[in-house]
Amino acid sequence: GAVVSQHPSRVICKSGTSVKIECRSLDFQATTMFWYRQFPKQSLMLMATSNEGSKATYEQGVEKDKFLINHASLTLSTLTVTSAHPEDSSFYICSAVGLGRASTDTQYFGPGTRLTVL
Amino acid sequence: AQTVTQSQPEMSVQEAETVTLSCTYDTSESDYYLFWYKQPPSRQMILVIRQEAYKQQNATENRFSVNFQKAAKSFSLKISDSQLGDAAMYFCAYRRSIQGAQKLVFGQGTRLTINP
Repeated sequence: GAVVSQHPSRVICKSGTSVKIECRSLDFQATTMFWYRQFPKQSLMLMATSNEGSKATYEQGVEKDKFLINHASLTLSTLTVTSAHPEDSSFYICSAVGLGRASTDTQYFGPGTRLTVL
Repeated sequence: AQTVTQSQPEMSVQEAETVTLSCTYDTSESDYYLFWYKQPPSRQMILVIRQEAYKQQNATENRFSVNFQKAAKSFSLKISDSQLGDAAMYFCAYRRSIQGAQKLVFGQGTRLTINP
């Protein structure tokens, strides 16, 4: 199947600092990647959609200046949480849709990153 | 806008028995995709099964099968011969079939417990 990795799996940072999370498609080229946020015992909330080489599309209510998304290549997208605050603490998940062995109709998910802001 | 509803926050089943998780959705479109994803305690989202709306035949993957009722906008997941490893959150999801419109709309999830 299609494999998506995320790095780091866990990160703890101080309030006011920035944190970058990487999402990679390992065995296929991802034309589109998605970033989700998940609070405990809740469903996934889509934050933004990124297409390779173009600006991300953010969902309503998501601050684009706070959650910077870059999709510079067909295998890598990054989410940077700028000036992190404790309320940004959450579980962040990426997913990818693309070409190659992976179905173009299906999102394949990374293992997630737990962000804790002190 | 499309919505997905999972009316069972929690379900439990005895090991080796069969359980059915419910999902309903609302859409005005005739062609779309439906998915069931599993999220075990590791929190890795795993695709369980997918269904294309234009296909009348219900999708099946080993012990997992769906009952897709298009007119009723219902998409239930049946797990046969439940195993301890099936314990997880299960999310039903909808996706439009329009080219480029790939966002998933998720239900609230159902937590499945397997009793040994």
